Amino acid sequence: AQSVAQPEDQVNVAEGNPLTVKCTYSVSGNPYLFWYVQYPNRGLQFLLKYITGDNLVKGSYGFEAEFNKSQTSFHLKKPSALVSDSALYFCAVREPAGNMLTFGGGTRLMVKP
Amino acid sequence: NAGVTQTPKFQVLKTGQSMTLQCAQDMNHEYMSWYRQDPGMGLRLIHYSVGAGITDQGEVPNGYNVSRSTTEDFPLRLLSAAPSQTSVYFCASRKKSGSGNTIYFGEGSWLTVV
Repeated sequence: AQSVAQPEDQVNVAEGNPLTVKCTYSVSGNPYLFWYVQYPNRGLQFLLKYITGDNLVKGSYGFEAEFNKSQTSFHLKKPSALVSDSALYFCAVREPAGNMLTFGGGTRLMVKP
Repeated sequence: NAGVTQTPKFQVLKTGQSMTLQCAQDMNHEYMSWYRQDPGMGLRLIHYSVGAGITDQGEVPNGYNVSRSTTEDFPLRLLSAAPSQTSVYFCASRKKSGSGNTIYFGEGSWLTVV
């Protein structure tokens, strides 16, 4: 069975500093990995995904994520955080042949001025 | 392009009542699914459909029914609401063909069962 772990319930960072939101996964075979962001009282918005190819994936709003197969990780990063990045972030995984997307529990990112 | 549309946005039910959450997408996506979101648990899949006339259970299907009579619509029915079904519900869709297709989510339906 596939699973996703986001070990931090909340990440606090000062505006302008780099941020990392951690994600590890477990899946049979090669994974499809996704990051979504959720603002208060809204649906999930797609940020980026890894399917194959370059391990460093660039996405929306200046975010990027690095796929590390040996560590089964897909950490979300941004070089310089903005207050407007404060939101709930979800990592998700799917097997290529599978129908089900499995989500992590979410990490709340708080960026302080 | 409206994307994925869910109604109602907010609903309060009494225990034992029934209701239907509506979901429609205008992107001609084959795959549609329903998730519930609870604090600290991420999103959990309730039911999903890979095309009209085909549905299957997800991780937490008990207490919910679905049907898929058309490609566009995928309603979620609560037959006899329970307080444990208080949650935020999200409908989602994606195309079947192509690898790693992105899932698109509706804006959510906040349900409270008292």
